[in-house]
Amino acid sequence: SAVISQKPSRDICQRGTSLTIQCQVDSQVTMMFWYRQQPGQSLTLIATANQGSEATYESGFVIDKFPISRPNLTFSTLTVSNMSPEDSSIYLCSVTAGAEETQYFGPGTRLLVL
Amino acid sequence: AQKVTQAQTEISVVEKEDVTLDCVYETRDTTYYLFWYKQPPSGELVFLIRRNSFDEQNEISGRYSWNFQKSTSSFNFTITASQVVDSAVYFCALSEGWNNDMRFGAGTRLTVKP
Repeated sequence: SAVISQKPSRDICQRGTSLTIQCQVDSQVTMMFWYRQQPGQSLTLIATANQGSEATYESGFVIDKFPISRPNLTFSTLTVSNMSPEDSSIYLCSVTAGAEETQYFGPGTRLLVL
Repeated sequence: AQKVTQAQTEISVVEKEDVTLDCVYETRDTTYYLFWYKQPPSGELVFLIRRNSFDEQNEISGRYSWNFQKSTSSFNFTITASQVVDSAVYFCALSEGWNNDMRFGAGTRLTVKP
């Protein structure tokens, strides 16, 4: 398994500002994923982040709005830029780990944009 | 494109009842993986099971059991003798091939009343 931590755990931000979310894993992993879970909704994949290459974004998500860094095999950041109230969500980091390549999730970052 | 359908939005049962959560998926790949996750009120995602497309054996883990049927593209989850602590949102998810990015169903909110 993998132990994943995220910072911050929650934040309240003003419209127009940006927030960077950190994801730290206790082991080296090739693939990291960022998901968004809007209030009362399911999880939606934002992007896949592999070390040494640019992140791959899903339809509806763009790099200017959600820039991602992946400087090494244990760490990634997701920035939510120029925030609006519609960005209020839980943002979750996920990794594939273990012999069976199960996907594990971090505790999430609860973001409220006023 | 991959798709996961959880038709049951909410289910309410009384403690000790058995309950089955339905999951139907769509994929064009022959190699894929199916997952169930539990999201209790605290918000974290708890991994329950991963099943690959070549293994149709049903699985039992304590009070939990899973029925994978490729003929109907279903991967249903049964909780036997439900308990109040089983109250949560349960997500079914699908990933295709090597990419590991997951598509989630809408989730089923299970409430177990004492």
